[in-house]
Amino acid sequence: ETGVTQSPTHLIKTRGQQVTLRCSSQSGHNTVSWYQQALGQGPQFIFQYYREEENGRGNFPPRFSGLQFPNYSSELNVNALELDDSALYLCASSFQGPTEAFFGQGTRLTVV
Amino acid sequence: AQSVTQPDIHITVSEGASLELRCNYSYGATPYLFWYVQSPGQGLQLLLKYFSGDTLVQGIKGFEAEFKRSQSSFNLRKPSVHWSDAAEYFCAVGARAAGNKLTFGGGTRVLVKP
Repeated sequence: ETGVTQSPTHLIKTRGQQVTLRCSSQSGHNTVSWYQQALGQGPQFIFQYYREEENGRGNFPPRFSGLQFPNYSSELNVNALELDDSALYLCASSFQGPTEAFFGQGTRLTVV
Repeated sequence: AQSVTQPDIHITVSEGASLELRCNYSYGATPYLFWYVQSPGQGLQLLLKYFSGDTLVQGIKGFEAEFKRSQSSFNLRKPSVHWSDAAEYFCAVGARAAGNKLTFGGGTRVLVKP
């Protein structure tokens, strides 16, 4: 059984650019959630995907978008990067319903 | 809207001493509650969870937590801390009605003195 894997582990982008982060969910899990964790803060919910559809969204602008694929892996896309987008982006996979979420190691995004 | 408060930003404890981390939540229905631990630059590891039933839950690494509905609390405890317990700890509340979105507290950083 493989855990949640994210790529890349680190990324440096320039303000205004676009970025794509990837997540492979744990075997069997059908739900993927994305979180943003700024330095020194707790993770903030961005959105969740279930069966390839967005299933809940936090307080993030539309330039944060995502996809979920038939194999339940997922992408997070951020357009028009801003300096404040610098953070650790965490992906979590789970089953739908009241169950625990398992997190990947995260992607550290730095916007300069 | 759900929210989580972790009143202690930093806690320093001596190795071998007991540890208690506080967590207070706000949620209109029965919450699902979690404690996660994060080492520097790493992802989150689940320590324990509460969905229903026995209000005292046991987790990994010798941790336990007690759900107190009357106090809206879910405090984490460990009887004897090891140096490897130094990390950041996050309490989170989940809600099925919100698609299992987790709302996290701001975290408590635990430092362990030899």
